[in-house]
Amino acid sequence: DAGVTQSPTHLIKTRGQQVTLRCSPKSGHDTVSWYQQALGQGPQFIFQYYEEEERQRGNFPDRFSGHQFPNYSSELNVNALLLGDSALYLCASSFITSGFTDTQYFGPGTRLTVL
Amino acid sequence: AQTVTQSQPEMSVQEAETVTLSCTYDTSESDYYLFWYKQPPSRQMILVIRQEAYKQQNATENRFSVNFQKAAKSFSLKISDSQLGDAAMYFCAYSSNTGNQFYFGTGTSLTVIP
Repeated sequence: DAGVTQSPTHLIKTRGQQVTLRCSPKSGHDTVSWYQQALGQGPQFIFQYYEEEERQRGNFPDRFSGHQFPNYSSELNVNALLLGDSALYLCASSFITSGFTDTQYFGPGTRLTVL
Repeated sequence: AQTVTQSQPEMSVQEAETVTLSCTYDTSESDYYLFWYKQPPSRQMILVIRQEAYKQQNATENRFSVNFQKAAKSFSLKISDSQLGDAAMYFCAYSSNTGNQFYFGTGTSLTVIP
């Protein structure tokens, strides 16, 4: 049973560029959440996708957008990259039962460096 | 907004000994979930243990157990018989009863001394 997978592992971009990160959820999971983890900090919630729609959003600007596909996989897009966007981006998948998102399982992350 | 506080940036423990990591949280909700996650240097976040707030019994997973004090809004993790593989960053996390969003603490870096 494959766990949560993310690609790419590492990414280097320059300021102003755009980036797309990808996530495939754990088998049987229908919900994907994205987190940003700055060095030495805990993960910060970006948004969650369920049934191809954004279910909840954290305190992140509109430069951060996402998408969920019919097979439950997801993309995180960041436009107009800033130096401060450099971080580890974590994807977590879970399963919704009766409106509740159960335990989240995390992928290995994508390390984004903005120069 | 909910906040999660881990007041111990770093902890160390001798191999085979017991260590307790602290976590406090702030919420006005009565029903919620608490988690401890482990993040080794390989950076993959791994679930250690899960506690449902409506359950009075403390969760236990092998060598890992929690001390959940709902009134005090405290959720500590006890690791018994510490092993070298336990060395990692440990994060405490809170989720409301809808589970839409997880709130994480800043983490505690655990070193296991041989």
